[in-house]
Amino acid sequence: QKEVEQDPGPLSVPEGAIVSLNCTYSNSAFQYFMWYRQYSRKGPELLMYTYSSGNKEDGRFTAQVDKSSKYISLFIRDSQPSDSATYLCAGSSGGYQKVTFGIGTKLQVIP
Amino acid sequence: GAGVSQSPRYKVAKRGQDVALRCDPISGHVSLFWYQQALGQGPEFLTYFQNEAQLDKSGLPSDRFFAERPEGSVSTLKIQRTQQEDSAVYLCASSLVGAYSNQPQHFGDGTRLSIL
Repeated sequence: QKEVEQDPGPLSVPEGAIVSLNCTYSNSAFQYFMWYRQYSRKGPELLMYTYSSGNKEDGRFTAQVDKSSKYISLFIRDSQPSDSATYLCAGSSGGYQKVTFGIGTKLQVIP
Repeated sequence: GAGVSQSPRYKVAKRGQDVALRCDPISGHVSLFWYQQALGQGPEFLTYFQNEAQLDKSGLPSDRFFAERPEGSVSTLKIQRTQQEDSAVYLCASSLVGAYSNQPQHFGDGTRLSIL
């Protein structure tokens, strides 16, 4: 079993839809949780960075962490074609921040 | 530039050849990480440097893989006697401070390595 599980998709939604991306993790030591966006042939770009449980909002993006159920979510409001990318969830126990990634969910927003 | 820079962007080598991949981290970043990303997978941790010290190399898949950061800035990942299973994108990331911190990692665009 991988430490971070994520549905690879692909997920196709119409422009303007609310997108929900989810991951589960098994490592109880994880304290920091991240969402990265990766466009084709580019490196991962940090979208959201949260500590412990709770919500964090940044523009159209909201990240949620529920440590009791080991569940991580990313919501994208008013999705745009430019949001089409692979979204990687990740966790870390801190320290020197070795990050463990999920497989990534491929999202396509259709105009 | 302002971001993490990796070179070359693409590398093709014949099986058995040695390759060297370069990473220029963001200026002033203490921590440097190497990851391997196979096709359709998430990045997998290879090794970590704090300044010039290699503090964790537990992710290196074999003794054919070697990384160094001699002056605490630029890093090189070397793969000896390459095999086809080494074909992947090799990503470098850096972060501002060292251990026991919570600064996020910033990634370069990677080197896409193909072994023929």
